[in-house]
Amino acid sequence: DTAVSQTPKYLVTQMGNDKSIKCEQNLGHDTMYWYKQDSKKFLKIMFSYNNKELIINETVPNRFSPKSPDKAHLNLHINSLELGDSAVYFCASSRLQGPYEQYFGPGTRLTVT
Amino acid sequence: GDSVTQMEGPVTLSEEAFLTINCTYTATGYPSLFWYVQYPGEGLQLLLKATKADDKGSNKGFEATYRKETTSFHLEKGSVQVSDSAVYFCAFYTGTASKLTFGTGTRLQVTL
Repeated sequence: DTAVSQTPKYLVTQMGNDKSIKCEQNLGHDTMYWYKQDSKKFLKIMFSYNNKELIINETVPNRFSPKSPDKAHLNLHINSLELGDSAVYFCASSRLQGPYEQYFGPGTRLTVT
Repeated sequence: GDSVTQMEGPVTLSEEAFLTINCTYTATGYPSLFWYVQYPGEGLQLLLKATKADDKGSNKGFEATYRKETTSFHLEKGSVQVSDSAVYFCAFYTGTASKLTFGTGTRLQVTL
């Protein structure tokens, strides 16, 4: 069974479009995250949610809006896509907020043309 | 500010060679330390961790020791395999920042 799943795996779209990436975890974890990995593999946290409550909101353009309908899901909506948004986006989850193992999804490769 | 410095890659080794990937950190507070590994086309997965000074984390033949005096957490393996080819990320967590801070990753390529 997949622990953390993301859809879609690949997303190709044009500048100016709006798109969403979905994430689900079946581990019973309370905390979920979104990370962005650029072409040089640098990984940076964007958001974290604990029990549907936003905990971390790094310096991310407000075109990015996370939504957590329940603690098993954390979706990422992106408005007015720009070329610089092209990256791999990873969802992750952990038991609690803290020094606990984070389980990562397989990633969504977003390409903006 | 908080940061992790890893050695630049790629690191290319022959199978059965000894591996060291250096990692040092600058952290506010007392961090927990981690190594994550990313195989091609996959997400990251935890390789090992250590939560206090002098602890040694180990898994799949990899080891790393929490050295508080040198703020380091170097990854080692005595004999690498082709299947170890991946990108390795050093990271730490502090309650102050409430998040994982990652290094830039080190790509390891193991050849026959």
